Amino acid sequence: AQSVTQPDIHITVSEGASLELRCNYSYGATPYLFWYVQSPGQGLQLLLKYFSGDTLVQGIKGFEAEFKRSQSSFNLRKPSVHWSDAAEYFCAVGENRDDKIIFGKGTRLHILP
Amino acid sequence: GAVVSQHPSRVICKSGTSVKIECRSLDFQATTMFWYRQFPKQSLMLMATSNEGSKATYEQGVEKDKFLINHASLTLSTLTVTSAHPEDSSFYICSARVSPSYNEQFFGPGTRLTVL
Repeated sequence: AQSVTQPDIHITVSEGASLELRCNYSYGATPYLFWYVQSPGQGLQLLLKYFSGDTLVQGIKGFEAEFKRSQSSFNLRKPSVHWSDAAEYFCAVGENRDDKIIFGKGTRLHILP
Repeated sequence: GAVVSQHPSRVICKSGTSVKIECRSLDFQATTMFWYRQFPKQSLMLMATSNEGSKATYEQGVEKDKFLINHASLTLSTLTVTSAHPEDSSFYICSARVSPSYNEQFFGPGTRLTVL
């Protein structure tokens, strides 16, 4: 069965610093991978997704993620975080384009002024 | 575009009563809607998948008689928690998808259910 692991429950970075959120998946074939952000009082918003092709994916709000098959990873990165990036981030994996997606447990990002 | 709303945003009910939560796609037609449950500081757990005009497909361990899902139109799905108990208190989130070939789910803001 497919699964997603986000090893960091909380991450704290200073505003302006770079960010990397880790995500590892377990699935035999090439998965469909997603990163979502959840802010209080708002629905989950898709940051980016990987289905195929270029393994470096650009998303909204200056985020990017890199699919590394050899490491079963899909880490999310941002070169310089803003205070507004403080939120909960979820990595998710889908088996097919039209299948359900499984969410990781999330990483809470805290930003220091 | 691609806005999904949920109503109500918060609901408090007494144990034994039923509660209905609505999920609407406001500016698109959703062939599929999903219902999730999120416990505090935990991930989203998929409860069921519903396709318009069909019976919902429930995930293992989810009681279909307790969590009734109706997807009567391409813009509306409802989740009814029947005979609610305190352990049903949770954050319920719906999402909607346009079509299988475009597998992006658009999420509603969630409904906080508290059962006294």
